[in-house]
Amino acid sequence: SQQGEEDPQALSIQEGENATMNCSYKTSINNLQWYRQNSGRGLVHLILIRSNEREKHSGRLRVTLDTSKKSSSLLITASRAADTASYFCATDATGTGGFKTIFGAGTRLFVKA
Amino acid sequence: GAVVSQHPSRVICKSGTSVKIECRSLDFQATTMFWYRQFPKKSLMLMATSNEGSKATYEQGVEKDKFLINHASLTLSTLTVTSAHPEDSSFYICSALSPGGGIIEPQHFGDGTRLSIL
Repeated sequence: SQQGEEDPQALSIQEGENATMNCSYKTSINNLQWYRQNSGRGLVHLILIRSNEREKHSGRLRVTLDTSKKSSSLLITASRAADTASYFCATDATGTGGFKTIFGAGTRLFVKA
Repeated sequence: GAVVSQHPSRVICKSGTSVKIECRSLDFQATTMFWYRQFPKKSLMLMATSNEGSKATYEQGVEKDKFLINHASLTLSTLTVTSAHPEDSSFYICSALSPGGGIIEPQHFGDGTRLSIL
């Protein structure tokens, strides 16, 4: 089955720096999403990018999608200590088994104040 | 925005107990809900897809008799961990797909249930 791989697995930066996380996937997708998860909590949806889109912005977030390389990146600009969390990419696909979302392994981001 | 309520948020119980977790979509009808399991510092693993009025579709390796899923209404799906043992301890998260979801908008997630079996 499809599985997203993310790198880096962990990232530690200083407040104010930019954080870039990458995600790769294996099969065709409808769209790709990025989620944030604070420790012990549920997922917060950050941004959705459709398979026919290449770039999307939302506030300090910038997401790119390269379907030819089956990869995506999430850029958080001017990071803050409150951005400390785990970030997951997730791909939506519809196949013989119906609609399904597959999550990447995640990147744990730590922003030092 | 759409809200999914998951209850309870935390359960601690003895080995052998059956535990029921509820997932409710509060302001939309969800024909499809999903149940995920997450181990510490790991990603979410899809356990099963729950469709209203029909049997759940389980992922490979997930025991149907162990993890009972019921989706009796358009706003409620339940996951029952039967005869739970310490290895079932985990963080369980549900999500609900709104009409048009998957294409137009993403799933909506509950806040998760931390299950600890002693």
